[in-house]
Amino acid sequence: AQSVTQLGSHVSVSEGALVLLRCNYSSSVPPYLFWYVQYPNQGLQLLLKYTSAATLVKGINGFEAEFKKSETSFHLTKPSAHMSDAAEYFCAVSERGGYQKVTFGIGTKLQVIP
Amino acid sequence: DAGVIQSPRHEVTEMGQEVTLRCKPISGHNSLFWYRQTMMRGLELLIYFNNNVPIDDSGMPEDRFSAKMPNASFSTLKIQPSEPRDSAVYFCASSFWDGYNEQFFGPGTRLTVL
Repeated sequence: AQSVTQLGSHVSVSEGALVLLRCNYSSSVPPYLFWYVQYPNQGLQLLLKYTSAATLVKGINGFEAEFKKSETSFHLTKPSAHMSDAAEYFCAVSERGGYQKVTFGIGTKLQVIP
Repeated sequence: DAGVIQSPRHEVTEMGQEVTLRCKPISGHNSLFWYRQTMMRGLELLIYFNNNVPIDDSGMPEDRFSAKMPNASFSTLKIQPSEPRDSAVYFCASSFWDGYNEQFFGPGTRLTVL
């Protein structure tokens, strides 16, 4: 069975500081991994996805994530936080092989302090 | 592209009433997902369809919940009778099954059952 664990339901950073949101996955087969962002009163939108083409994945709004198989991790980073990055971020995993179910983590709310 | 369309955006009803939530997926997508989001339980997959056929409804909480997809451009989620614990934001998402499972979310329907 596939699952993701997001460490920290709330993260606060200062504007301009590094953003690091942690995600560890569990999957019986090589996974697809995703980061989604949810702004208040909106649906989720895809930030980036890992599909095995490259371990370092770049997404929108300056975010990137690195797939580390040895650590079963897919942490999300951004060098410099902006006020507009305040949102909830979800890590998600899907198993390859024709099964379409995506399992989402509990989410991490990012607060950016001016 | 209009994206995934959900209606209504907000619904307030009284306990015992029937509630019907509607979703129009992105044209050309062949998979559709219904999720429920609450503070306590996070984002839960209720059911998903592939080519209009229900594939996995194991997340449907109980018999009061039912979902249909009569054609590729329309789906409904019905709750009958509704209960206060059904209050949540319900999201519809669609995807094109190309092996990557990237899902596109609608804006959600905020349901309040009094």
